[in-house]
Amino acid sequence: EIVMTQSPATLSVSPGERATLSCRASQSVSSSLAWYQQKPGQTPRLLIYGASTRATGVPDRFSGRGSGTDFTLTISSLQSEDFAVYYCGQYNNWPPLTFGGGTKVEIK
Amino acid sequence: EEQLVESGGGLVQPGRSLRLSCAASGFTFRDYVMSWVRQAPGKGLEWVSSISGSSLSTYYADSVKGRFTISRDNSKNMLYLQVNSLRAEDTAVYYCARTGRNPWEGWLDLWGQGTLVSVSS
Repeated sequence: EIVMTQSPATLSVSPGERATLSCRASQSVSSSLAWYQQKPGQTPRLLIYGASTRATGVPDRFSGRGSGTDFTLTISSLQSEDFAVYYCGQYNNWPPLTFGGGTKVEIK
Repeated sequence: EEQLVESGGGLVQPGRSLRLSCAASGFTFRDYVMSWVRQAPGKGLEWVSSISGSSLSTYYADSVKGRFTISRDNSKNMLYLQVNSLRAEDTAVYYCARTGRNPWEGWLDLWGQGTLVSVSS
């Protein structure tokens, strides 16, 4: 099973600042990597798939990069609605689908 | 509007069973792999099970294999999860999620609101 590790666990950022979240896979997942956003009390929402392709309706301030084992999600200028928990998930050679433990982006 | 609506959760005693349901609408249900993902209180996401569009292929997490059964009825646009021999560690919100049209498209692009399963004596 491929283990996904996200860092940091919590990221404190001021509105308007840039946030960079990291996700590492225990073995290569090629570009089979997705990012999800979950706001408090809400259902997860797909942001990015294929490591860098934004899902429908996702603002272009969200961008994903990486391949193999190391990936990043960057939010270029944090808006109030972006404070949430972000999960990465791999789908290379699945099942199983596996997720990272999440990064909470909170207001500094 | 594309939508997934789960039902069937509740409070159950250890060892008992439940059947979770997910009603899909607004898209061609039979074209998609469908999945269940759960989230324990205050915890992260855990994939539980997936089923191909034709029902020919089913997949399970090791933690639920032999106890949970996924199924679908394409004539009714319904996805199901039969959960048996429930344990305290199965307590979670269970989400129905649309997976890709093709087996390699393992991202989850549409999620239901979830249904809570609480296992306690």
